Amino acid sequence: KQEVTQIPAALSVPEGENLVLNCSFTDSAIYNLQWFRQDPGKGLTSLLLIQSSQREQTSGRLNASLDKSSGRSTLYIAASQPGDSATYLCAVRLRSGAGSYQLTFGKGTKLSVIP
Amino acid sequence: ETGVTQTPRHLVMGMTNKKSLKCEQHLGHNAMYWYKQSAKKPLELMFVYNFKEQTENNSVPSRFSPECPNSSHLFLHLHTLQPEDSALYLCASSQEGGRGNEQFFGPGTRLTVL
Repeated sequence: KQEVTQIPAALSVPEGENLVLNCSFTDSAIYNLQWFRQDPGKGLTSLLLIQSSQREQTSGRLNASLDKSSGRSTLYIAASQPGDSATYLCAVRLRSGAGSYQLTFGKGTKLSVIP
Repeated sequence: ETGVTQTPRHLVMGMTNKKSLKCEQHLGHNAMYWYKQSAKKPLELMFVYNFKEQTENNSVPSRFSPECPNSSHLFLHLHTLQPEDSALYLCASSQEGGRGNEQFFGPGTRLTVL
């Protein structure tokens, strides 16, 4: 059974700092990995999708990397802003078989960017 | 806006009530999902519909009953719920069979069962 772990559970940084959020998964036979952002009481906003054949994806100040063999992904946020404060969720999708449609989520990292 | 809408946004119901949650996607996708997000637990997949056919049911109690009348609409019918069913219910959609299969989520319905 796929398990996804996100470390740290919470992170507080001053505005302007660069930061890294970590995600690890137990089954490396993944189809893709998605990073989401969730604001309090709200739905999920997809930030980046990395296919299993890719090593990284970039969108603006965000860069996500994937090392499938070691079961790790990182989300790098450059020049953090107070508006980046939210919970960041990592989710992986298995390649095939039962549960192939299913995204398995981590518990998230709650980020606070202090002005 | 992600192109996935959910109504109502908030719902309070008693244990004997019957209610329904509605989801609509405006993205032309062929797969739709219900997820449950409880406090301090990861999101859990409940149901998957692909081309209106239910393809996955993750051992969800029968008091939750999904319905997918067409590829744009998804319902979750609720009856005789328990207080532990209080959670944020999220709908998502994706285009299966092409590149990406990225899932897009709606804003959720916050359900409170008294």
